[in-house]
Amino acid sequence: KAGVTQTPRYLIKTRGQQVTLSCSPISGHRSVSWYQQTPGQGLQFLFEYFSETQRNKGNFPGRFSGRQFSNSRSEMNVSTLELGDSALYLCASSLRATSGKNEQFFGPGTRLTVL
Amino acid sequence: AQSVAQPEDQVNVAEGNPLTVKCTYSVSGNPYLFWYVQYPNRGLQFLLKYITGDNLVKGSYGFEAEFNKSQTSFHLKKPSALVSDSALYFCAVREGTNAGKSTFGDGTTLTVKP
Repeated sequence: KAGVTQTPRYLIKTRGQQVTLSCSPISGHRSVSWYQQTPGQGLQFLFEYFSETQRNKGNFPGRFSGRQFSNSRSEMNVSTLELGDSALYLCASSLRATSGKNEQFFGPGTRLTVL
Repeated sequence: AQSVAQPEDQVNVAEGNPLTVKCTYSVSGNPYLFWYVQYPNRGLQFLLKYITGDNLVKGSYGFEAEFNKSQTSFHLKKPSALVSDSALYFCAVREGTNAGKSTFGDGTTLTVKP
């Protein structure tokens, strides 16, 4: 089975721009979560989607948004980029969202650099 | 609210010696606990999980973890460390009702020296 894929792997943007990151979960996985990883804040939960619906949301400003498509692929968007948005953005998929028992499978991440 | 603490930023052990990476947690309901490992420039890889049952959980690459409810701990262990175990280790917790949201500790860098 193919793993979680994320595109692009690397992005360089300037302040004020917007960016869209893409995640394709493992086949059959319907839950997709997004995390931001930075040296200072560690891994922070952004949001989770299941069956095209946002089920959980972390404490991030409204500039961070996401969506999920009928094939479970997910995108996240960050508008009006700030320097502090520079981070590794990780996508994780799991089999079901109705149970916390399932481990998450992570993609390699998208490294976003904001200049 | 759920939270995780990994009290050690760094753990250093010699190859062949046992290793322990510590994790304590706080949840209001029943905890689901996970360990993940991250190698440089890679995403996280699942090692093991505790859901219910035996307090000693065995996982990938010879790792195991012991769940201790009274001490709210879930320490990661390995009887004999390998140099290739050197990586960043994350403990994570979920409550049963918060299925999609994992709360991660800050991570512990394990360095195994030959």
